[in-house]
Amino acid sequence: AQSVDQPDAHVTLSEGASLELRCSYSYSAAPYLFWYVQYPGQSLQFLLKYITGDTVVKGTKGFEAEFRKSNSSFNLKKSPAHWSDSAKYFCALAPVNTGNYKYVFGAGTRLKVIA
Amino acid sequence: EAAVTQSPRNKVTVTGGNVTLSCRQTNSHNYMYWYRQDTGHGLRLIHYSYGAGNLQIGDVPDGYKATRTTQEDFFLLLELASPSQTSLYFCASRAGNTLYFGEGSRLIVV
Repeated sequence: AQSVDQPDAHVTLSEGASLELRCSYSYSAAPYLFWYVQYPGQSLQFLLKYITGDTVVKGTKGFEAEFRKSNSSFNLKKSPAHWSDSAKYFCALAPVNTGNYKYVFGAGTRLKVIA
Repeated sequence: EAAVTQSPRNKVTVTGGNVTLSCRQTNSHNYMYWYRQDTGHGLRLIHYSYGAGNLQIGDVPDGYKATRTTQEDFFLLLELASPSQTSLYFCASRAGNTLYFGEGSRLIVV
């Protein structure tokens, strides 16, 4: 079965630093991969996705992510980080080869950017 | 971007009570989903549907029923609510390859 792992439950860094949130996945075929952000008290907002092609994808709010098939990762990056980036971030996978479109989410990483 | 509306936004019920969470999307998307969000678990899929009258089982379906009455409306039913179902529930619809979420429904079962 497919799964998504976000190994860091919490990440804290200083404003202006570079951020990288880790995401690894388990899936036997080529997945669709997504990042979402959830600000306190709000719903999940779509940031970016990898479907195929260029392994570095850019999204909203200055974020980008790199798909690495070699180690089954899809890490989210931004530089510099801003205090307003403080939120919870979710990585997700769509196992499209199965045809069932059951999107699977990681447990999330709570990011705190200190001003 | 898809518009997904959930109601109620907040609900308190007693153990054994009957609860219906509603979700509506107005973009004629085929796929709709119900997730629950709990600390330490992220989002877990309860049920999903690819059209009116269709229902697919998710990963944590026990204690939940769902019904897709129209292309727009997807309901989640808790017929005998238990404290373990206290959670934040999100509905989503799929546009292209991307899920778009509603604002969430917070349910407390006392």
